[in-house]
Amino acid sequence: AQSVTQPDIHITVSEGASLELRCNYSYGATPYLFWYVQSPGQGLQLLLKYFSGDTLVQGIKGFEAEFKRSQSSFNLRKPSVHWSDAAEYFCAVGLGGATNKLIFGTGTLLAVQP
Amino acid sequence: GAVVSQHPSRVICKSGTSVKIECRSLDFQATTMFWYRQFPKQSLMLMATSNEGSKATYEQGVEKDKFLINHASLTLSTLTVTSAHPEDSSFYICTGQDDTDTQYFGPGTRLTVL
Repeated sequence: AQSVTQPDIHITVSEGASLELRCNYSYGATPYLFWYVQSPGQGLQLLLKYFSGDTLVQGIKGFEAEFKRSQSSFNLRKPSVHWSDAAEYFCAVGLGGATNKLIFGTGTLLAVQP
Repeated sequence: GAVVSQHPSRVICKSGTSVKIECRSLDFQATTMFWYRQFPKQSLMLMATSNEGSKATYEQGVEKDKFLINHASLTLSTLTVTSAHPEDSSFYICTGQDDTDTQYFGPGTRLTVL
């Protein structure tokens, strides 16, 4: 069965420090991979996505993620975190096409210290 | 980017009443829309997949007679929670899927059943 694991429930980083949020997936075929961000009480905003091609994808707000097939990972990175990045981050696997169910990880809550 | 709206953003109702939530894709056509439910401090769980002009496909454990979904046009899907009970209180989020298989999330609807 498809699944997504985000090992870190909660992460705290200092403003200006680098960030890496981990995501591992289990899926038989090449997955569609997504990272979303959710601010408190809000819906989800798409940060970036990987469907095929270059395994390093650039997203909005200075985020990037790298697809590593051998590790079944799609980790999210940002070189310098801003206080406004504090939010919950969800990794998701999409099954593609008209039945494009998204399977979400449990989320990582990011806190940013001044 | 693609925008999805939801209405209302918050609703409080009495137990036993029905509540309708609208999901609209504002600047693209969404052949497929998805409805998710999110409990506090938890991840999103897919409830159903809604395809324009056809019956919705419900996930296992989701009562189709309780959560009525209608997708009458390429820009509008509605979720009606019938005979709502306090345990139906949750954050309901819809998505519209564009022709690149990317899902764009609405801002969510907070339902509180008294």
